[in-house]
Amino acid sequence: EVQLVQAGAEVKKPGESLKISCKGSGYTFTRYWIGWVRQKPGKGLEWMGIIYPGDSDTRYSPSFQGQVTISADKSISTAYLEWSSLKASDTAMYYCARHVSMIRGGVADYYMDVWGKGTTVTVSS
Amino acid sequence: IQLTQFPSSLSASVGDRVTITCRASPNINIFLNWYQQKPGRAPNLLIYAASTLQSGVPSRFSGSGSGTDFTLTISSLQPEDFATYYCQQSYSAPLTFGGGTKVEIK
Repeated sequence: EVQLVQAGAEVKKPGESLKISCKGSGYTFTRYWIGWVRQKPGKGLEWMGIIYPGDSDTRYSPSFQGQVTISADKSISTAYLEWSSLKASDTAMYYCARHVSMIRGGVADYYMDVWGKGTTVTVSS
Repeated sequence: IQLTQFPSSLSASVGDRVTITCRASPNINIFLNWYQQKPGRAPNLLIYAASTLQSGVPSRFSGSGSGTDFTLTISSLQPEDFATYYCQQSYSAPLTFGGGTKVEIK
């Protein structure tokens, strides 16, 4: 069974650093993009960025570029999302999602077919 | 790329036919996917490439459209379909989602 496993919850203070993880299993981790999606309480979904664990090619949404770091350790089939200095506004649920990629008419198409259960990040003094 | 979903919410009864619309600006060809999200759960892929049903998704769900106008249709609403639905485009980076449509029980 294809799965993405995320830790449940993190509680941090403003200014602290944090790295959350997403471990893939049941498929070849290096052959699929894996990305992160933010959902603030009561709000919609926001795509943050993706990484291709095979070669560490990473793409960010401009909204999140410079605010977070996406990385992966293919030896343990795990992707990460990291903050160096958290803000209260980072309080949200963070989902990892496997991205299926295919080329249609010369354009790369991505859809998210497997999701982790999410990690709740609470930043409060 | 901007995605506008409407309505933002709707009330319907079990057995009803439900249609949700997603409008893209500009043209995104067929690079449009649909997800269902139930409270407290991760999103679940329903439809990709505008009209292809994801494996394991019931056939009462269907998608159509191309260019700028897309629809998700539930042919006969079931109790387990009460949820929020999101469209998502992948024509151009960054990937973006619509604002969501909440389907509630009438």
